[in-house]
Amino acid sequence: QVHLQESGPGLVKPSETLSLTCSVSGGSLRGGSYSWNWIRQPPGKGLEWIGYIYYTGSTNYNPSLKSRFTISIDTSTNQFSLKVTSVTAADTATYYCARGSPYQPLLNWGQGTLVTVSS
Amino acid sequence: DIVLTQSPGTLSLSPGERATLSCRASQSISSSFLAWYQQRPGQAPRLLIYATSSRATGIPDRFSGSGSGTDFTLTISRLEPDDFAVYYCHQYGSSPGAFGQGTKVEI
Repeated sequence: QVHLQESGPGLVKPSETLSLTCSVSGGSLRGGSYSWNWIRQPPGKGLEWIGYIYYTGSTNYNPSLKSRFTISIDTSTNQFSLKVTSVTAADTATYYCARGSPYQPLLNWGQGTLVTVSS
Repeated sequence: DIVLTQSPGTLSLSPGERATLSCRASQSISSSFLAWYQQRPGQAPRLLIYATSSRATGIPDRFSGSGSGTDFTLTISRLEPDDFAVYYCHQYGSSPGAFGQGTKVEI
């Protein structure tokens, strides 16, 4: 069973860059036609899909967020990452990584990591 | 982009009662690409239903999904204490994937 685990700073200052990593165990990032996704959830609010990456490096982003968000992948360490530039308080959220497939729901999720943007 | 609207926002029920949750899409969705997730406090979402009506592995049969086109429903036939949570619908057939805003099922 694949296991995903997010890691990153719990606190980021406004205007700085947020970097998060998702470590995958129990399966290879290169195995199968899986998409590796990031989703976020502001406190007390709903889920927002950020984007995904395939092991080939091909990406797809939510058009409403695309310009500040970058997803990358490192198959040698079995990790994928999210960078968010110029963060504001509106980026305060629990960030989840998840595994999907084309035209499939998100079956496997990490436990999530809360990121607070504050000076 | 497809927008999913869930109703009601909150459903107040008692254990043993039936819960009916609605998800309406801004445009027609193939029934193959509509899912429901359950999220308990402090936990990640858990897949319950995919392709409108197929239960994910390990999901009890008191959870059922139905619908087509723009209107979809999640039904919990007899609420158990662990079922009090927030439920999200999700369309994954077109990009960007979208989630509904959630329905909270509370005691």
